[in-house]
Amino acid sequence: GAVVSQHPSRVICKSGTSVKIECRSLDFQATTMFWYRQFPKQSLMLMATSNEGSKATYEQGVEKDKFLINHASLTLSTLTVTSAHPEDSSFYICSALFGTGYNEQYFGPGTRLTVT
Amino acid sequence: QKEVEQNSGPLSVPEGAIASLNCTYSDRGSQSFFWYRQYSGKSPELIMFIYSNGDKEDGRFTAQLNKASQYVSLLIRDSQPSDSATYLCAVDTGTASKLTFGTGTRLQVTL
Repeated sequence: GAVVSQHPSRVICKSGTSVKIECRSLDFQATTMFWYRQFPKQSLMLMATSNEGSKATYEQGVEKDKFLINHASLTLSTLTVTSAHPEDSSFYICSALFGTGYNEQYFGPGTRLTVT
Repeated sequence: QKEVEQNSGPLSVPEGAIASLNCTYSDRGSQSFFWYRQYSGKSPELIMFIYSNGDKEDGRFTAQLNKASQYVSLLIRDSQPSDSATYLCAVDTGTASKLTFGTGTRLQVTL
């Protein structure tokens, strides 16, 4: 149980274009999902909290107009990187909150974004 | 600023030995504590979590929690080369279900 998928696993795009990443909880419903970014040899950085049916909550320093988050159903959250630039190249990972009350998060496999 | 501290390592242990990974946290109000394993280039995988003082065992893994000392550890018995990875300690912040992650300890299990 507690399987989370992400698509695509790897994407290369040109500077100025937008990229959408999907995160799905496959065998449980997740009212809350999280989006992280990880640069090489660094720890996870929380970007935003995605709540089903409401606006995402962004961490300080994360541009909400650049990183659009939509959580339209209990099993799907999407992150759109708009007008991507090379500095947005990173490993983007989502997680889903498993609702046992202990706040354990299960991670998707991640999406490696390269902006050329 | 709520902090989670880990030694970055690498921690090198021979195959078959016990690996001991440590983590301290600053927020006394933290309730749940998590250990994740992350292989290079992959996403974190939840190994186990603990919320009561004492030990919790799951196979070769034992999590230990001491809330008075604000200390949580992970023991890996009979370490295998496949255990070589970065181990992330995470603590429930008590705010909107968010976790605070440590920077991770890199474990190397040598033959």
